[in-house]
This record gives sequence, structure tokens and C-alpha cells, in this order.
Amino acid sequence: AQKITQTQPGMFVQEKEAVTLDCTYDTSDPSYGLFWYKQPSSGEMIFLIYQGSYDQQNATEGRYSLNFQKARKSANLVISASQLGDSAMYFCAMRQFTGNQFYFGTGTSLTVIP
Amino acid sequence: DARVTQTPRDKVTEMGQEVTMRCQPILGHNTVFWYRQTMMQGLELLAYFRNRAPLDDSGMPKDRFSAEMPDATLATLKIQPSEPRDSAVYFCASGHGPEKDTGELFFGEGSRLTVL
Repeated sequence: AQKITQTQPGMFVQEKEAVTLDCTYDTSDPSYGLFWYKQPSSGEMIFLIYQGSYDQQNATEGRYSLNFQKARKSANLVISASQLGDSAMYFCAMRQFTGNQFYFGTGTSLTVIP
Repeated sequence: DARVTQTPRDKVTEMGQEVTMRCQPILGHNTVFWYRQTMMQGLELLAYFRNRAPLDDSGMPKDRFSAEMPDATLATLKIQPSEPRDSAVYFCASGHGPEKDTGELFFGEGSRLTVL
């Protein structure tokens, strides 16, 4: 069964606008972490943001915020004030603390339009 | 600036040849993951280690792939014999166990393998 689902293969956003990338997850483990990574065309995987399953507040890192809805098992990434350099693949991931397994979604390709 | 180091960055080889990819995790990290990335399959987990012990290699074709950690500073992924369908980018990633910090993985730059 898919542990991480990203339903948007590709997204477009106008420069300076905000964009939401969707991610849902599946786990019965009470302790887990949710991550977002960015992969630009150069290929490296860049860690963006983390949300722990027990965190009460939504995580924020600069222009990135994670909209965590635990009951719905969703962990959407919000990028505010998009920049051309935000064009990349974005991967949602989950780490289950039992077993230490790390699951990645299939990714969303974001294109920022000038 | 600590980073995960992978070699080779690029490898072109012929079908049937042995390929060995190496990874130096960040000093102090106790978990190491190997992933394979292709356009069709995305990021696939091949193997992961904790404190050098293999915990899961169920994603790895056992007949041709093997992964080891001979010591804490080196992880290897070997393919023998290689096949064209093995062509992909292979990523190594390291991190702490989930009990420490956020537990995010730090990725190497990847090894691009082309099997002709």
C-alpha cells in the first residue's frame, strides 16, 4: 500500500504567488515525522521542512510552511511568494519511528512562471 | 560543511559488468539508506542500515544486488552482473535515528549509472 501519496504530478504558479503542494500519508504508527525535499534540475535532494506527529503547531521555515492536518493525514507544503528558483521536483516523505523506515512520494514538478 | 559523499558521480558500463558504488556518510550518523531514482519508478528504497547492521533490503533484487557497510565511514552498493534496466541515479543518504533531532536524511549528490 502507498504510504505517501502526491496526487499532483505537475503544478504551475505565477511568480510571487503562493502555491500548495498536496501530500497525504498512511500510517498506524503514533510516532512519525513528515518531511519535504526539493530536487532541482541539478539532481541534489535538499531538505526543506519537518513536522513531527506530536507537534501542535504547523512547521514554518522561511517561505515554506507545512499545513499539517493529522486527522486527515495530510501534510501539504505551502510556498509563499514563489520565485523562479523554486522550479523543481518536490517530494513528500514520512519517517515511521517504529522500524525507522523512510517513505517517499512520487513527487510534484513545480514550474514557476515569470 | 558536513556532507554525504558518493562515488562515482557518473558511470557508464556494459551489460554484465560489475558496478560498485560507494558512499561516505556524515560522521556520527548511524543510519544509511540507498535509494534508486528513475523516471518511471521515482525513488525506490533499496536498503538501509542502522549502526552498520542491515535492517531492510527487501527492495533490492537479491540475485544481483548487494549492500554492505564494512565500517562506519563506508557503505557500498554492488551490482553483479549489471543490466540495462539498472540504469538510474543511485542516492545514498545518512541521518541520525529518529530519536535525535528531526531525523531528516542528508543525501549525497547521487551516482548516475548507465548500463549499455
